[in-house]
Amino acid sequence: ETGVTQTPRHLVMGMTNKKSLKCEQHLGHNAMYWYKQSAKKPLELMFVYNFKEQTENNSVPSRFSPECPNSSHLFLHLHTLQPEDSALYLCASSQDSLRGPYNEQFFGPGTRLTVL
Amino acid sequence: AQKITQTQPGMFVQEKEAVTLDCTYDTSDPSYGLFWYKQPSSGEMIFLIYQGSYDQQNATEGRYSLNFQKARKSANLVISASQLGDSAMYFCAMREGMDSNYQLIWGAGTKLIIKP
Repeated sequence: ETGVTQTPRHLVMGMTNKKSLKCEQHLGHNAMYWYKQSAKKPLELMFVYNFKEQTENNSVPSRFSPECPNSSHLFLHLHTLQPEDSALYLCASSQDSLRGPYNEQFFGPGTRLTVL
Repeated sequence: AQKITQTQPGMFVQEKEAVTLDCTYDTSDPSYGLFWYKQPSSGEMIFLIYQGSYDQQNATEGRYSLNFQKARKSANLVISASQLGDSAMYFCAMREGMDSNYQLIWGAGTKLIIKP
């Protein structure tokens, strides 16, 4: 495997379900990100981890719970979601999150989430 | 106020023609970086090109070039000799150097369709 992988690619869940999204990067990076992409809206940054420490939580509801056990893996645990949480969830990684303006982020293919 | 504006929600271009995708930005930070990403229907964000605020020359990467007009705060992406595979969403993003959390700020995107 190379780059950034995400599983599952598609997920349909009910509002009372608990599920987790997984992201893995094989690039030796130290920063990982979760983004939410809704139709016709700019990407929304949800969480940032730098060297396994959470450095950003952009006012994300507590029904989204991130976990970063090491620099290569990132999880997003989902619990009692709402239909408006249906979106494409993208994971990204970069060398680290505090490098200067040039800090290319590499993205995974995303998980298309539908909440019924 | 929006920091990244992409005024073209959608564009149709004939194959082999050049296409310009518009991006204007707003920042008071003297140190910043501008990125363009491509998102095919598969979902993955693909990095295309980067321009730093202090770069003297416009960035180029193969068929991609960035028309950087600092005084106008615009960073338009130019794709030369368009191909059918260029059909995708294109996002402009900015990262400010003095921002303590160095988040990428995204535009809403332009959907580009290349016609055969």
